[in-house]
Amino acid sequence: DAKTTQPNSMESNEEEPVHLPCNHSTISGTDYIHWYRQLPSQGPEYVIHGLTSNVNNRMASLAIAEDRKSSTLILHRATLRDAAVYYCILRLGASGNTPLVFGKGTRLSVIA
Amino acid sequence: DSGVTQTPKHLITATGQRVTLRCSPRSGDLSVYWYQQSLDQGLQFLIQYYNGEERAKGNILERFSAQQFPDLHSELNLSSLELGDSALYFCASSVTTGMNTEAFFGQGTRLTVV
Repeated sequence: DAKTTQPNSMESNEEEPVHLPCNHSTISGTDYIHWYRQLPSQGPEYVIHGLTSNVNNRMASLAIAEDRKSSTLILHRATLRDAAVYYCILRLGASGNTPLVFGKGTRLSVIA
Repeated sequence: DSGVTQTPKHLITATGQRVTLRCSPRSGDLSVYWYQQSLDQGLQFLIQYYNGEERAKGNILERFSAQQFPDLHSELNLSSLELGDSALYFCASSVTTGMNTEAFFGQGTRLTVV
């Protein structure tokens, strides 16, 4: 499996932007970058995904480096509800069928 | 609400017993995934089905088995239960199996083996 590296934990103040980094230096050309998060006592929740171009949706933005070896999930204005574990996952393109393989993720704390 | 329904929400059983966890995917989703989450292991992928057929296997023990039925619901069977099988079990579904597809997770079944 292609590996991703994320910081174990990060902290943010409420109502400030948060940039969650992810390194994936072994990514191949057809691998998609997915982000999920898991709020306390809940199942994981889809956040965003992309291939090459930056992506925006109602929850977050995904900035992908030009060489695709890293990406950053951007929460534009953190709220207390965004406190969760954030997982950066590569979905491998070569096989055409790839389950989500979760790493340890980044635990985001949001301070009021 | 993700649209994925898991039952039961909680299950307490004794060592050596067998249990069945049930998952109803979102309407229209053909693929179902099972995950185990324990405190020390994180989220572990167990097995994936697509339209009734097994598509991928992860770290699933031989004591565990699963199937997806014609109506697309899935069941995860855990037998000869051990204390270490105590965990949260999540089911997820997606429309297809492709890498450009998002998955939707249920709220999980918390299994406690005593």
